[in-house]
Order: sequence, then C-alpha cells, then structure tokens
Amino acid sequence: AQSVTQLGSHVSVSEGALVLLRCNYSSSVPPYLFWYVQYPNQGLQLLLKYTSAATLVKGINDFEAEFKKSETSFHLTKPSAHMSDAAEYFCAVSDPDTGGFKTIFGAGTRLFVKA
Amino acid sequence: GAGVSQSPRYKVTKRGQDVALRCDPISGHVSLYWYRQALGQGPEFLTYFNYEAQQDKSGLPNDRFSAERPEGSISTLTIQRTEQRDSAMYRCASSRKNLAGGPTDTQYFGPGTRLTVL
Repeated sequence: AQSVTQLGSHVSVSEGALVLLRCNYSSSVPPYLFWYVQYPNQGLQLLLKYTSAATLVKGINDFEAEFKKSETSFHLTKPSAHMSDAAEYFCAVSDPDTGGFKTIFGAGTRLFVKA
Repeated sequence: GAGVSQSPRYKVTKRGQDVALRCDPISGHVSLYWYRQALGQGPEFLTYFNYEAQQDKSGLPNDRFSAERPEGSISTLTIQRTEQRDSAMYRCASSRKNLAGGPTDTQYFGPGTRLTVL
C-alpha cells in the first residue's frame, strides 16, 4: 500500500528565507508524486507533479521539488518565501500500475511566513 | 472558465438524517473524484468516475455512502443515516482524463462542502 509522510505539521520561515517542506513516500512501484497548496476557504491547487520524467520538477510561483528514489523523498523548496506563500501544503502519491486515479495525500504542512 | 463548484458549501444536519452533496465539475471534464477531509488531515479518496461509470469506490467507508453521476456531468454523494463521525469537509475534483490520457491529468478541486452532523 502506498503512503505519504509529511515531516512537520507546521513550518515557520521569515520572508525571503528558503522554504523546505519535507515529504517521504512509500510505494512498491515508481509512483506519481504531487504537491498541492490550499489557501483558506479554497480548494486544493496543484503546484507541481512528478511523472517519471525529469527528477527535478518546477512548478508555479518558483516552487520546485526533487524526486530522490534512493531516499524515497519528494521535498518541496522555494528559494525565497513570500508572505503570500502562507498556506497549507499537501504531498500526494498515486500508483501508475493501478491506473493512478487513487491519490493518497499526506496530512499536510502549514507554512507560516513572518515579516 | 468556471471551476468546480459544490453545493451546499455548509450543511448542518441531525444524526440519522440523509444528506446529498452535489458536485458540478468543469465543463468537459471526464473524470470526477470525491474526497473526504477531516480536520487537520489530508484529503482521503472516496470514489471516482469516468463519464457516468463509477470506476473505483474502494474508499467509501461503508454502505451508507453512495455516489452517482448519471449523465456523466454532475455528481451526487449521498450519506444515509448520518452519524457524528461523518462530519468532515467533502471535496470534489475533476480532470480532463480521456481514455488515451494518463492518470497524471491535473485534478481541479472545488471549495468543498463542510458537513456537520449534530
């Protein structure tokens, strides 16, 4: 069975600092991996996805994530935090061999950005 | 264009009552997904459709939960004889997915329906 672990339910950074949100997955097959962002009172929005192409994936708003098979990780980074990045972030995994439709989400990490 | 819409946005009901939650996907989107999100947790997969066919319902917690999409567009998630443990945010998503496409199609999420069972 697939699973996702997000390390740290809350992360706080200063504006302009590096953002690092950690995600580790468990999967018996090379998975598809996703990062979503959720702003208050809104639906989840896809930031980026890994689908077995380049291991370094670039997304919207200067976010990127690197798939590391040896570490079973897919950490999300952004070089410089902006106040508008404050939101909840979810890492997710799906299994291509079973159609990939069943997406398993992590518990989420809430990002706080201090002025 | 319009995004995924869900109604009602908030629903308060008494234990034992039935509720129907509606999802209106993005026009032309073939695939539709239902998730449940408890407070402080990530979304939990419930079921999904391609067109009107329910492809996977393995995430439905028990037989009180059912979903339909009779014309391949709007979908309804029904919970019968609600219980307090059913209280959660119910989210719907849709994607373009076609038969030749892959499961990597981006899912677009609606704002959710907050269900509270008293």
